[in-house]
Amino acid sequence: EAGVTQSPTHLIKTRGQQATLRCSPISGHTSVYWYQQALGLGLQFLLWYDEGEERNRGNFPPRFSGRQFPNYSSELNVNALELEDSALYLCATRGDMIGTGEVDNSPLHFGNGTRLTVT
Amino acid sequence: DQQVKQNSPSLSVQEGRISILNCDYTNSMFDYFLWYKKYPAEGPTFLISISSIKDKNEDGRFTVFLNKSAKHLSLHIVPSQPGDSAVYFCAASEGNYGQNFVFGPGTRLSVLP
Repeated sequence: EAGVTQSPTHLIKTRGQQATLRCSPISGHTSVYWYQQALGLGLQFLLWYDEGEERNRGNFPPRFSGRQFPNYSSELNVNALELEDSALYLCATRGDMIGTGEVDNSPLHFGNGTRLTVT
Repeated sequence: DQQVKQNSPSLSVQEGRISILNCDYTNSMFDYFLWYKKYPAEGPTFLISISSIKDKNEDGRFTVFLNKSAKHLSLHIVPSQPGDSAVYFCAASEGNYGQNFVFGPGTRLSVLP
């Protein structure tokens, strides 16, 4: 079974440009989460998509946006790039957890990330 | 305000001994907790989880303990191996279909041969 795939692996942009990052989920997973890991920091929650809709977003400005496609893949767009946007952007997906009449918990499964560098 | 804390940025342990990684949380609504391991240039890998209805969960060399009254969880690795050297993140979520998973800042574990 293929894992979560992210593209591109590395992305170099200049300040003010736009970046588009892509994520393909594990087959059967419908929820996509985006996280930012800046250098030396932990994972900061960016966005959560489920069934094509944005369900929640973290404490990031509106120039961070995204969408989820009918095949459950997702894009993260960062407009008007700033130097501090340089970070590792991680996508994680999660499957339906309904089972035996009781809602169960399931973990996030991460891709290897896109390293965005803004110069 | 950090809702999930890992107060030890790093930990060194001798091969074969026990590694204990600690995590504290402040939100009493969290009811699902996870540990992830991360190698450089890779995404975090899920290790083990525990729901708030349990106080212990075991999977091979990995055991997670949850103390709800203290809002504290720990990950025990026994015996520690050099391949366990990585950054370990704990994470927590609220609600069965968690909205967002809140991650701690991570602890870098070094297992010395």
